[in-house]
Amino acid sequence: KNEVEQSPQNLTAQEGEFITINCSYSVGISALHWLQQHPGGGIVSLFMLSSGKKKHGRLIATINIQEKHSSLHITASHPRDSAVYICAVRSADGLTFGKGTHLIIQP
Amino acid sequence: DVKVTQSSRYLVKRTGEKVFLECVQDMDHENMFWYRQDPGLGLRLIYFSYDVKMKEKGDIPEGYSVSREKKERFSLILESASTNQTSMYLCASSFRLAGFYNEQFFGPGTRLTVL
Repeated sequence: KNEVEQSPQNLTAQEGEFITINCSYSVGISALHWLQQHPGGGIVSLFMLSSGKKKHGRLIATINIQEKHSSLHITASHPRDSAVYICAVRSADGLTFGKGTHLIIQP
Repeated sequence: DVKVTQSSRYLVKRTGEKVFLECVQDMDHENMFWYRQDPGLGLRLIYFSYDVKMKEKGDIPEGYSVSREKKERFSLILESASTNQTSMYLCASSFRLAGFYNEQFFGPGTRLTVL
């Protein structure tokens, strides 16, 4: 079964800082998802990647298939970015989730 | 926008009770999923369904059953609730299109407490 590791587990930063969250997985995948979970539980899909890089506003996601690694970047971070960010990979095993990164952006 | 709704945000039940969690999606998705989320364990798949009346076990089906009588509705049933089923339950749905990477859309979650 695919193993998905996220780092860091917890991250506290000041408003305006550049944020990087990492995701590594153990076997080949067909797609990787980045999800955002707000306090209270609702999950929103941010990106779905199979190669390269995607950008939505201040969020950038990259994936390196050869290295089995993806990063989620947040530029000019804001307190409203505070959430749990979850990486999920799709492979022959189905969809495997990382344990999430708990991000707090302080004003 | 895709909308996935769950019947309750918070639910408190007693040990041994039968519990129904309902999920409804409005985008005509073929696939529907039930997950539970626990601290330190992430999201784990309980059951999924790829069509009406079809169901498949996920990683942790024990103690749960599901029902999919209509395409838009997927129910999770705890036949006899136990305290170790206290958790956040999340429903999701997606299209089933061959050759596509199927993004899942999540509901808001139901936080179930079993006393």
